Amino acid sequence: KNEVEQSPQNLTAQEGEFITINCSYSVGISALHWLQQHPGGGIVSLFMLSSGKKKHGRLIATINIQEKHSSLHITASHPRDSAVYICAVLRSGGSNYKLTFGKGTLLTVNP
Amino acid sequence: KAGVTQTPRYLIKTRGQQVTLSCSPISGHRSVSWYQQTPGQGLQFLFEYFSETQRNKGNFPGRFSGRQFSNSRSEMNVSTLELGDSALYLCASAWDRGNTEAFFGQGTRLTVV
Repeated sequence: KNEVEQSPQNLTAQEGEFITINCSYSVGISALHWLQQHPGGGIVSLFMLSSGKKKHGRLIATINIQEKHSSLHITASHPRDSAVYICAVLRSGGSNYKLTFGKGTLLTVNP
Repeated sequence: KAGVTQTPRYLIKTRGQQVTLSCSPISGHRSVSWYQQTPGQGLQFLFEYFSETQRNKGNFPGRFSGRQFSNSRSEMNVSTLELGDSALYLCASAWDRGNTEAFFGQGTRLTVV
């Protein structure tokens, strides 16, 4: 079992819909990242969370440390939101810092 | 402020050759990490460098190596290239280690033929 699991793997929505992408992890973490990757490869960091909730424009990210779960929400989705969304966790403990990634969620928003 | 710059963007190499990829972090950032992305394995951690020292290494063979210079720029090298090394190689920089936001470059797409 992967340390970081995302669901769904693929998501198709109509423009304007509310989107939720989930991330569950099985290890102790010091932070969780949500990343966005468009075709062509470049990755953009959307959020880094260690507790609670963050909001940036139409994007909201939440994390529940006790339940080892995070969600990324997109309100009023738009075709330009179409991308792969990747959850990554930074494990806690020791001095070895590395990100462990989920497999990603491919989001397609149709006009 | 300039972002993370990776060069080259695209590279085609022949099996058995070696390759060097470069990453220039955001000014002031001292931590550089490298990742490999393939369709089968997704994103996997390669190395982390901080203050010119490799602090952490992922589960990759010794053909994969890297270094960091005094200006925080980093290079990674892959020797004796194999077809399976074809991937997108991404680097990310952060101002410090651990719990700080990472900024990713556009990546270098390496194709081994």
